[in-house]
Amino acid sequence: GAGVSQTPSNKVTEKGKYVELRCDPISGHTALYWYRQSLGQGPEFLIYFQGTGAADDSGLPNDRFFAVRPEGSVSTLKIQRTERGDSAVYLCASSFGTGSYNEQFFGPGTRLTVL
Amino acid sequence: AQSVTQLDSHVSVSEGTPVLLRCNYSSSYSPSLFWYVQHPNKGLQLLLKYTSAATLVKGINGFEAEFKKSETSFHLTKPSAHMSDAAEYFCVVSDAGGFKTIFGAGTRLFVKA
Repeated sequence: GAGVSQTPSNKVTEKGKYVELRCDPISGHTALYWYRQSLGQGPEFLIYFQGTGAADDSGLPNDRFFAVRPEGSVSTLKIQRTERGDSAVYLCASSFGTGSYNEQFFGPGTRLTVL
Repeated sequence: AQSVTQLDSHVSVSEGTPVLLRCNYSSSYSPSLFWYVQHPNKGLQLLLKYTSAATLVKGINGFEAEFKKSETSFHLTKPSAHMSDAAEYFCVVSDAGGFKTIFGAGTRLFVKA
């Protein structure tokens, strides 16, 4: 079946604008994760959903970042008043269940560039 | 709190020689540990995971890793490198619930012909 998909693949915006990044998880996966990967670094955890609720949002850097998953499937990461420092690749992953041993399947990412 | 340190930012080997990518972790709990690989312009792929069933874990493409609690290490090895192994490798630790995952900074593996 299809893997995790993310749209758009690339997004260029201007400082101060609002952006939305979309993630379609693998069908049937209940857990969904967002990460941010800056150049030359490992992915940084942002937020984790179990179903519709955010089980852990401790990685969101500030209140300009917000994510939703209203129906327990597709998720949207929203960034308000973008800053140049927000430029990164935003990765989404999903897993079948919860717990330490469930493999996360990653999407290809959205490359965000804030000018 | 969990943390993970990958001791080498770059490793270069010749094709057919062994690979060693080093990872040390810190965890307040019995950790869950993973290695992921990221090829250029491709998504992250799980290589292997430590689930406490066995300290020596075998993964895909001939890779394996050994969990050593006394050394808080989870080094990744492969007996013989192939050109297709050239990629970025990430060591990952997750919290007790397995939700919040912490990635290392990555080790870029170069394989010379």
